[in-house]
Amino acid sequence: GAGVSQTPSNKVTEKGKYVELRCDPISGHTALYWYRQSLGQGPEFLIYFQGTGAADDSGLPNDRFFAVRPEGSVSTLKIQRTERGDSAVYLCASSPGTSGGGETQYFGPGTRLLVL
Amino acid sequence: LAKTTQPISMDSYEGQEVNITCSHNNIATNDYITWYQQFPSQGPRFIIQGYKTKVTNEVASLFIPADRKSSTLSLPRVSLSDTAVYYCLVGAPPMDTGRRALTFGSGTRLQVQP
Repeated sequence: GAGVSQTPSNKVTEKGKYVELRCDPISGHTALYWYRQSLGQGPEFLIYFQGTGAADDSGLPNDRFFAVRPEGSVSTLKIQRTERGDSAVYLCASSPGTSGGGETQYFGPGTRLLVL
Repeated sequence: LAKTTQPISMDSYEGQEVNITCSHNNIATNDYITWYQQFPSQGPRFIIQGYKTKVTNEVASLFIPADRKSSTLSLPRVSLSDTAVYYCLVGAPPMDTGRRALTFGSGTRLQVQP
C-alpha cells in the first residue's frame, strides 16, 4: 500500500514569507508526527497528533509554527514569518496509534525547505 | 529520556559483518531499544527493536546484554546499499509515558566500500 507522502518535495521561499507543508499519512493510521531535520543531525520532534488533536506540541520551537489535522488524516504544518534558520528537511511520520510497546513510525520522504 | 552514544562513523567492505554499538547507561526499566536506518533524501526506516537478550529479523540482529546499558546492531554481509545513517533510540512505550515521539541522536554514518 501507499506510504506516507509529503508535498511539496522542495520549497524555496523568502525570509518573512508564510509556508504550508502537507503530509498524507498511511491510510488508517491515527497517530501523526512532524519532525525537523537539519543537515548532519538526527530528526527533531515538533508535534504529535492522535486523531484530530495535537497530543504533544512540546517540540514546536515558537509560535510561528503551527500544525493542524482537521479530519484526522492529512496534516498541514504552517510556518509564519519564515526565518533563514527554519531551513531544514521537515519529516512527517505516521503510526497505527494502537499503543503498545515501541510502536513503529513510518516516515515520509520529507519536504526540503530553504528560506533565502 | 535516556541519552544514547554511538560512533559518528564507520567504514566497511561489501560482504563483511558490521556491528554498531550504542551506549545508553541511564536506560530505564520500561525503555525499549529501537534502531532506524536513513538513506540520503529519505525519511528514517525502522530496522529492529528489542528489550533484552537477542532479537533477529530478516535484516539485522540486535544484541542486548543483561544490564541493558548498551546494545549492538549487527548487519550480516553488508552491501553497498547498506550505506546509510543508523540511529539508536531508547524510550518507554506510549502507554507508560503518553509520549510517542522518537528522540534521535546524530546517528552513525556507515560507509560500505566495494
